Order: sequence, then structure tokens, then C-alpha cells
Amino acid sequence: KAGVTQTPRYLIKTRGQQVTLSCSPISGHRSVSWYQQTPGQGLQFLFEYFSETQRNKGNFPGRFSGRQFSNSRSEMNVSTLELGDSALYLCASSLGASGPNTGELFFGEGSRLTVL
Amino acid sequence: AQSVAQPEDQVNVAEGNPLTVKCTYSVSGNPYLFWYVQYPNRGLQFLLKYITGDNLVKGSYGFEAEFNKSQTSFHLKKPSALVSDSALYFCAVRDPPPTGGFKTIFGAGTRLFVKA
Repeated sequence: KAGVTQTPRYLIKTRGQQVTLSCSPISGHRSVSWYQQTPGQGLQFLFEYFSETQRNKGNFPGRFSGRQFSNSRSEMNVSTLELGDSALYLCASSLGASGPNTGELFFGEGSRLTVL
Repeated sequence: AQSVAQPEDQVNVAEGNPLTVKCTYSVSGNPYLFWYVQYPNRGLQFLLKYITGDNLVKGSYGFEAEFNKSQTSFHLKKPSALVSDSALYFCAVRDPPPTGGFKTIFGAGTRLFVKA
């Protein structure tokens, strides 16, 4: 079974540009979550999608947005990039259904964004 | 608001010795608790989880964790550490469905260094 796939793995942008990151979840997983990981702030929750609907959102400005498609693939977009947006962006999928046997997240390798 | 705390930035242990990585939590209601591990330049990998049942939970790579409700702790343990266990360990808590959706909050992480 293929794992979570994130593209691109590495990218460099300049301030003011925008970026789109892609995530393909494990087959059958309907929930996709996004996290920003930086040395200073650790793992910060961005948002979570389930069946094309955003169910939860973290405390990030409106420049950070996302969406989920009918095949559960997800994208996140960051507009008007700032130097502080440099980070590892991690996508995680899970079954997303209720019950005690669901809940763990399966992470991709991440997309490392550098903003110059 | 739900939260987890990992009081130690780094834990150092000699190979073959037992290891403990500490985690305390604060949630309303029954907690869903997790441990994840991150190796350099990789995404996070799920180790184990506590949802309900036995307080001692066994997971991957010989790790186990003890849930202590009175002390609101969920410490990660391993009887005999390996050099290959050196990595960054995250404790996490998730709102039990259906009230909080599927937002998972991570601790700041503890770097485990196992010396040969």
C-alpha cells in the first residue's frame, strides 16, 4: 500500500510569491491534515479536511489556505510569502471515521519550503 | 484547550539502558494519546496510541507507554535502548470524536540521544 505522497519535496521561493503544495493520502483515507514544522515553533496545526470539507483550522493568517478534492487529494496554498514561512510542511492522512481504531496519522516526507 | 507538554528538550541514555521520555497532557474528557517518532529529514511515524483499556500500551520497535490518569501523564518507555532509537519523539493528543473533530496537537518534541 502506497504511503502519503507530498510534492514537491523541496522548493525555493522569494518573498511575495505564492506556493502550492500537494498531498496524496493513503488509499481509503478520507482525512488530510496539514502541519507546519519549524525549529522554533515545533509542529503547528494548519487545517484538516474530510470529504472535501474543512473541519478544523489552526491559528494561521488567511494567506494559508487549502482544499481537498473528491479523490481525497489535498493542496495547500500560501500567498504573499514571508521569510517566516520557511518551514517543513507536513501532510498526514487518516481514516477519519469515528471509533477507537482510528486516529493515528500517517505522515508524508514533507515539503521543505525556503523563502528568500 | 487541549495540550501536551514534554518537559525535556533532550534525553541522553547509554545503549542497553532503559529509557523514558516524559509527556503530560491536559484535556477535557477522555484523552486520545499518541507517540510519534521523527528521524532526520523524514516525516513522523506512528509508534503507539492509548484510546481506552489497559494503561500499558505496547507499540512499534519495542516501545511502550504508560497511561496514568491521576498524574495526567503518558510516558514513553523502552527496556533497552538502541543507538538506532536516536531521534525526535513527539507526544500528541487528539480530541475524542465527535466533539472536537480530528485536530491533533503535538508537544514540542524530545530529542533522544543514545550513546554506544
